[in-house]
Amino acid sequence: DAGVIQSPRHEVTEMGQEVTLRCKPISGHDYLFWYRQTMMRGLELLIYFNNNVPIDDSGMPEDRFSAKMPNASFSTLKIQPSEPRDSAVYFCASNPGSGALNTEAFFGQGTRLTVV
Amino acid sequence: SQQGEEDPQALSIQEGENATMNCSYKTSINNLQWYRQNSGRGLVHLILIRSNEREKHSGRLRVTLDTSKKSSSLLITASRAADTASYFCATDALNQGGKLIFGQGTELSVKP
Repeated sequence: DAGVIQSPRHEVTEMGQEVTLRCKPISGHDYLFWYRQTMMRGLELLIYFNNNVPIDDSGMPEDRFSAKMPNASFSTLKIQPSEPRDSAVYFCASNPGSGALNTEAFFGQGTRLTVV
Repeated sequence: SQQGEEDPQALSIQEGENATMNCSYKTSINNLQWYRQNSGRGLVHLILIRSNEREKHSGRLRVTLDTSKKSSSLLITASRAADTASYFCATDALNQGGKLIFGQGTELSVKP
């Protein structure tokens, strides 16, 4: 397996534009996580899914952020409209399942978003 | 809110020395994990320790867990310049459905 795949790797957009980040988790993994990393706030959990169902979206900062997982092999994180303070690196991660045995997370390479 | 807090925030040592990083957390856990992040890259899993374990080894890594103090430490022995990276602890909290929460990380610099 190629690991967790995120696209694009870099995105530069103007304030007010819609941004869509994409993630393909590792095949067979039940959990998918979206994180945001900034110098000021560290690594924040935005939302996570179990078997394509959103479990906890309490970390989503505002209504401008939305995430979907239409099937087991694809998820999107959308920001509409984008603002300069959304600039960050966004990571997607997946893991095989919950419980003490299988919660090692595999991370994608991230999408570096710059909103100007 | 962040579950894990780490110290020190930054650590600079010479090659060959040992590096110790600490992590404290707030709630009961299923397990605690340590990850490494090289600059500009994603996080890579290093080691997982379950709540009923006290110590675990993997190569030059040694992790301890004290659930009574809600703390963990990561020791890297005989450090190398290639160990330069940020290190994060992450907790899989009890009854949180697999949610993984990360600490702020320790930035380790190993000078040759």
